[in-house]
Amino acid sequence: RKEVEQDPGPFNVPEGATVAFNCTYSNSASQSFFWYRQDCRKEPKLLMSVYSSGNEDGRFTAQLNRASQYISLLIRDSKLSDSATYLCAVAGGYQKVTFGTGTKLQVIP
Amino acid sequence: DAGVIQSPRHEVTEMGQEVTLRCKPISGHNSLFWYRQTMMRGLELLIYFNNNVPIDDSGMPEDRFSAKMPNASFSTLKIQPSEPRDSAVYFCASSPGQQETQYFGPGTRLLVL
Repeated sequence: RKEVEQDPGPFNVPEGATVAFNCTYSNSASQSFFWYRQDCRKEPKLLMSVYSSGNEDGRFTAQLNRASQYISLLIRDSKLSDSATYLCAVAGGYQKVTFGTGTKLQVIP
Repeated sequence: DAGVIQSPRHEVTEMGQEVTLRCKPISGHNSLFWYRQTMMRGLELLIYFNNNVPIDDSGMPEDRFSAKMPNASFSTLKIQPSEPRDSAVYFCASSPGQQETQYFGPGTRLLVL
């Protein structure tokens, strides 16, 4: 089993739709969780960290489910500019941060 | 503030040649990471340093790859000899600590013919 797994997509959604991505992780001792965004031919950039209680930043909501070992990212009212690949990242104990392979989102007019 | 700086941004070389990629991390960051990204394999961690010391190089594909960090402001990733299957985008990232937010450089697009 991979340390961090994501559905590669692509997710094709119309503008204004709500879309959710999940990311599962195998190490139950993981302590730090992140969502990154990567635009085509660009570097990954931090979108938001994921806190135990869940957190929200505008149209974006991140949640952590420790019991089932996954994190989620919810995007409400999708914009064309949200089209990108979304990477989850997980770290635990003394381990390095491990990235998922990313989920591609395409928002359609 | 300057982010992570990588050079060159693009590199085209012939099989068998030596390739050296360079990275300057964000000042004050203690951890530095080298990644390789391809369509097939996604973002793969090659090696990372903490306080200039290599901590985990288990992702380095083979002996043709080597990385150094002689000081806190500079790191290199060297491929010798290069092969066509090394063609990828190589990212360098730095973070204040090894489990904290990573800041990526713009990447080096390597094409080995």
